[in-house]
Order: sequence, then structure tokens, then C-alpha cells
Amino acid sequence: GAVVSQHPSWVICKSGTSVKIECRSLDFQATTMFWYRQFPKQSLMLMATSNEGSKATYEQGVEKDKFLINHASLTLSTLTVTSAHPEDSSFYICSAPTSSGTQYFGPGTRLLVL
Amino acid sequence: AQSVSQHNHHVILSEAASLELGCNYSYGGTVNLFWYVQYPGQHLQLLLKYFSGDPLVKGIKGFEAEFIKSKFSFNLRKPSVQWSDTAEYFCAVKEGGGADGLTFGKGTHLIIQP
Repeated sequence: GAVVSQHPSWVICKSGTSVKIECRSLDFQATTMFWYRQFPKQSLMLMATSNEGSKATYEQGVEKDKFLINHASLTLSTLTVTSAHPEDSSFYICSAPTSSGTQYFGPGTRLLVL
Repeated sequence: AQSVSQHNHHVILSEAASLELGCNYSYGGTVNLFWYVQYPGQHLQLLLKYFSGDPLVKGIKGFEAEFIKSKFSFNLRKPSVQWSDTAEYFCAVKEGGGADGLTFGKGTHLIIQP
């Protein structure tokens, strides 16, 4: 199957700072990537769709100014959590679909905001 | 908005028992259906998918699922489970034909006792 990587795998930051998370499709190109958030013992919730060369589209209730998304190339999307607060602590997962439509997921990034 | 229901949040079975995990979705149009597995400490992996054609799909590791359109269901089955099947299982749905993110069920935590 296709491989999607994320970096970093975990990050601890102070409240008020910004954190950038990278998502890369390693062996295929993706014009679209997706960002999900997973709370402990809960399911994945779609946050936004990252579109190469255009603005991201956000799900209802997700603050676009809080979660900045940039899809700089066909293999890279970044999610920046701006002015992070403890309630932003979570597990962030990205995915990228191949040409067949199947989404492959990254290993996730665990964010802890102190 | 579509929703996905997984009926069993926790399932405990003995090795060699048969498994069936329920999944129902709400969207009435064309759908793409997926089952993902998340082993402890690992990222989401695709078990199987249904886009069209034969409603009985076979995936990796001996898993299969049956799409029953009239029941809006996509239940996951395995005739004989192994200890290594202990994991979290997620059912996910996407509206067919679009570059949309997935809607996930809440997941089923499966524990196989040796």
C-alpha cells in the first residue's frame, strides 16, 4: 500500500506557542489531503481538506485561523496549530487518497500543550 | 450530514471464535465503505473497502465484509480470530465519487483472549 508519513510523531509545547505538523505522501502524489483529530478513546473527526494550490476547506466548527493548513506541493501538507492552548491537546492524523480513491493514513502526531 | 454507527464498543472473544462487527451508515446515495484497523501503538491500516460490484469483499488477514444496501450496513466478519487480531476497528464511509474526507464510526475495541 501507499505510505504517508507525519512529522513530528509527538510534540510538547507551551500554551500560546504555535506548532507545525507535516504530512507527506512518500510514494504517490496527492492533490488533496485530509486532517483528522482523534480524542482519547474516541473516533477520528475530519477537521479539514487540504487542497494543493488552493485554500483548505474546513468542517463546521473548526476555526480556520486556529488551524492553518498549507498544501505546498503534491506530496506535502502542513497543519499549524496557532496560539495553542491545553484544549488543543490531541492526536492529529492526516490522510492522502491515491488515484483509486483509497485513503492512506499517517502515523499521527500527538500534541500536548502545557 | 452522514453518520456511522458501530454497535459494539468493546468485544471480548476467545481465540478461534467467529467475529462479526456491525456497522450502519445514514447516507442514502452512492457510498464508498471502508474498514480500518489500528493495532496498539500503530497507525490506521486499511482492512478492506467497497466501492462497487460484488457486495461481499475480502480483505487482508482473513477479514471480509458484506455491503447490504437495503440495510445500510457493512458488517465485518472473520470466521476464526487470533490473539493478534486484538485492536481497534473503525468503519468509515465516504460519499461516492467525490474527493471528500471520511466519516468514521466510534470504533470497536476487540480483545482476543488466548
